[in-house]
Amino acid sequence: EAEVAQSPRYKITEKSQAVAFWCDPISGHATLYWYRQILGQGPELLVQFQDESVVDDSQLPKDRFSAERLKGVDSTLKIQPAELGDSAMYLCASSLSGPRREQYFGPGTRLTVT
Amino acid sequence: AQSVTQPDIHITVSEGASLELRCNYSYGATPYLFWYVQSPGQGLQLLLKYFSGDTLVQGIKGFEAEFKRSQSSFNLRKPSVHWSDAAEYFCAVVLNSGAGSYQLTFGKGTKLSVIP
Repeated sequence: EAEVAQSPRYKITEKSQAVAFWCDPISGHATLYWYRQILGQGPELLVQFQDESVVDDSQLPKDRFSAERLKGVDSTLKIQPAELGDSAMYLCASSLSGPRREQYFGPGTRLTVT
Repeated sequence: AQSVTQPDIHITVSEGASLELRCNYSYGATPYLFWYVQSPGQGLQLLLKYFSGDTLVQGIKGFEAEFKRSQSSFNLRKPSVHWSDAAEYFCAVVLNSGAGSYQLTFGKGTKLSVIP
């Protein structure tokens, strides 16, 4: 069964350092999402891609976060510089296009900023 | 503003007992509704979804949910809970944010503990 792949699974970094997360969606899924899940909360959308284009990045803190999906397949989310408040689970999901399409989630990257 | 509310933060049930997890939404139109489950340290798995039609929907792992428009609710149920059902459950709604953006908005989750 096809799955969304994410790496690394765990990341510990010091504040002010740069950190990057990688996501490989299910083959054929044009839509890719990055979510942030703070402990005890539901996931919150950071950015949505349709192919290589950003559809929605209204909740992405653009002063320190960036996301790209250059060839419309895999994607990278970067934080620079990391802050203590960025400690969270970062989830990637993918889907076929449209609102009725199920989003398939990867296992996530647990980020701890010290 | 549109929102999803899960009023129960933590529920504990005995194995074999029935389960109902509550979800209420605030949205101008009938939204698309989902229930996801998350095991510790894992991603989310879709249990079931409602778009239209029959208000009682069946999902995986023996779960079902009922959409009640008059109560703006979409409660998740299971007649007999198994120990492996212990996890965190999230209700979510798809919002059309415009320009092709269909954003999943999640509730804060309900953590389910199962007593043997």
